[in-house]
Amino acid sequence: GESVGLHLPTLSVQEGDNSIINCAYSNSASDYFIWYKQESGKGPQFIIDIRSNMDKRQGQRVTVLLNKTVKHLSLQIAATQPGDSAVYFCAEKGDKAAGNKLTFGGGTRVLVKP
Amino acid sequence: KAGVTQTPRYLIKTRGQQVTLSCSPISGHRSVSWYQQTPGQGLQFLFEYFSETQRNKGNFPGRFSGRQFSNSRSEMNVSTLELGDSALYLCASSLGSYANTGELFFGEGSRLTVL
Repeated sequence: GESVGLHLPTLSVQEGDNSIINCAYSNSASDYFIWYKQESGKGPQFIIDIRSNMDKRQGQRVTVLLNKTVKHLSLQIAATQPGDSAVYFCAEKGDKAAGNKLTFGGGTRVLVKP
Repeated sequence: KAGVTQTPRYLIKTRGQQVTLSCSPISGHRSVSWYQQTPGQGLQFLFEYFSETQRNKGNFPGRFSGRQFSNSRSEMNVSTLELGDSALYLCASSLGSYANTGELFFGEGSRLTVL
C-alpha cells in the first residue's frame, strides 16, 4: 500500500541552528501535504501545509519544500529554539483512489540542545 | 474558542472489556476523525464522521466502531479489548470533511491501557 516515511527518527540540533526534517512519500497522486508537531502529552498541532502545485511555502520560521520528482518533502525550522523540541510528522493526503485519507509518517523526534 | 475536547484522558481496562471514548469538536466543525497512536505503528486512521455519517474508514477490525451525533460530538467504541489496543486515541476535527481540507485540529487524546 501507499505510505509516508521519514529518513531520520531522531534529530539533535543546537539551539539557534537550523533544522531540516525529511519525509518521503510514495503516492505520486497525493495532492496535499501537511507537517504536524506533537509535544509530549499533547495531540499533534498543525504547522504548515503545501499543495502539490507548489514547491515551496513559508511560514513563521518554518519552510516546507516539496520535490515531486523524487517524492520528497522537507520541513526547515530556522533558528531552532528549545520550544521546538517535539516529534514532527509529515502527512500525505491521498487521491480519490486512496479514499482521500491522510497518511502519517512515523515521526522524527527533534531534540534541541542548549 | 475552545479546542477539541476528549474524555476521559486516561483509563485502564482489562482484556475482554469494552470502552467508549468521547470527543467534542471545535464549535462549528462538522468533521471528526479518530486516530490510534502507538509507538510501533505511529498514527493510524480509524474513521471519519461528517454530518453524522461515516465518510472514511481505516483498516481496523469491526471491534472498533464510532458514531457522531447531531451536535457533531463523536464517540468511538472498542469492544472485546485486547492488549494490543493499548494506545493513545486521538480525535481531530475540521470545518469540512478532511478529505477536502486536510487541516485537522487534534485533541490531547485518551490514553487507554489494557491489562
